[in-house]
Amino acid sequence: GENVEQHPSTLSVQEGDSAVIKCTYSDSASNYFPWYKQELGKRPQLIIDIRSNVGEKKDQRIAVTLNKTAKHFSLHITETQPEDSAVYFCAATTSGSRLTFGEGTQLTVNP
Amino acid sequence: GAVVSQHPSWVICKSGTSVKIECRSLDFQATTMFWYRQFPKQSLMLMATSNEGSKATYEQGVEKDKFLINHASLTLSTLTVTSAHPEDSSFYICSATRPASGVYNEQFFGPGTRLTVL
Repeated sequence: GENVEQHPSTLSVQEGDSAVIKCTYSDSASNYFPWYKQELGKRPQLIIDIRSNVGEKKDQRIAVTLNKTAKHFSLHITETQPEDSAVYFCAATTSGSRLTFGEGTQLTVNP
Repeated sequence: GAVVSQHPSWVICKSGTSVKIECRSLDFQATTMFWYRQFPKQSLMLMATSNEGSKATYEQGVEKDKFLINHASLTLSTLTVTSAHPEDSSFYICSATRPASGVYNEQFFGPGTRLTVL
């Protein structure tokens, strides 16, 4: 089955700096890679996703890149703000089947 | 929109009792519902996948006789934790997918249920 590894487990940045979270996956058949933001005690919220036919996607301060050959994808957050502080999860799946999540990254943005 | 609700949002029970958690898709018919468990400071772990009218598919290591899943309609799935013990205390989250024109059916997550077993 699919295995997703996520790094780092914790990330602390100063407000205004950029944050990068990286994930690798094992199943070359995976073709959809969502990223979720989860605040304490809340549901995961989809913040951006990318499909295997695209190498990069951007939505305002958030961007995701995908390298299918190397089987890794990354989340980039620019101009970080304190409200970006949360746990971020990457995930991978094959065409509508079960999601496999990474272990999560606790992002702290210091004012 | 695509709204998924869960009930209750939190529950405290005594060891040995059973607890039922409901997951509802409020404004769409869910082809598939998923149940996850999340322990503190850990990731979401898929417990089972359920399709309306058929038996749930459980992940390896999840006891199907302990975690009973019923998906009786396209808008409701229930998870019953039978004979709950303190180690079952966790955050249980459901998600639902709906038919979509794309290749991948996005999962819409419920708000979660915090279960505490004393």
